[in-house]
Amino acid sequence: DVKVTQSSRYLVKRTGEKVFLECVQDMDHENMFWYRQDPGLGLRLIYFSYDVKMKEKGDIPEGYSVSREKKERFSLILESASTNQTSMYLCASSTLTGASPLHFGNGTRLTVT
Amino acid sequence: TQLLEQSPQFLSIQEGENLTVYCNSSSVFSSLQWYRQEPGEGPVLLVTVVTGGEVKKLKRLTFQFGDARKDSSLHITAAQPGDTGLYLCSGKYGGATNKLIFGTGTLLAVQP
Repeated sequence: DVKVTQSSRYLVKRTGEKVFLECVQDMDHENMFWYRQDPGLGLRLIYFSYDVKMKEKGDIPEGYSVSREKKERFSLILESASTNQTSMYLCASSTLTGASPLHFGNGTRLTVT
Repeated sequence: TQLLEQSPQFLSIQEGENLTVYCNSSSVFSSLQWYRQEPGEGPVLLVTVVTGGEVKKLKRLTFQFGDARKDSSLHITAAQPGDTGLYLCSGKYGGATNKLIFGTGTLLAVQP
């Protein structure tokens, strides 16, 4: 089974802090994604990466950056956390081919105070 | 901006009832997937449909992809408490990368 592991289940940070969310997958998937999930808004794509050191903006990249130095690891960075970034963050991975499904981690619930 | 609208947003039913969840868009998708998410976990894939008009069954769940590949439905027969969760549809559209958009979700509660 594919395993996608997010380093923290819960995080509480203060406004202005730099925040790192880490995600590791163990199935050699090319694609990795970061989504945020908010009630009534579904999952919204922040950034995705289809190869090491490659990244593309999703629908809501403002206030976020990402890093993919190794194939198995995809990090989401909040340069200066704000209260409107309080949310559930979901990492996912998939292969490149066809209609391949996303494999999700269990999420990180981030609260910015 | 591509949009996927799901309805209803919330559904609370008794065990044994049938229900249908809808996923609609004005865009054509090359494939569409349904996921279920339980509290404290990430979404898990239920099914992928790729052909217009396609029907797939997964035990008591029946999934249909619209003929024009713009919409889909999920029908659950004789719902059970274990079906409780958030149901999400997602569509893949154009381009070489595997980029999906997600619907807003349907939160289903099945009361015993």
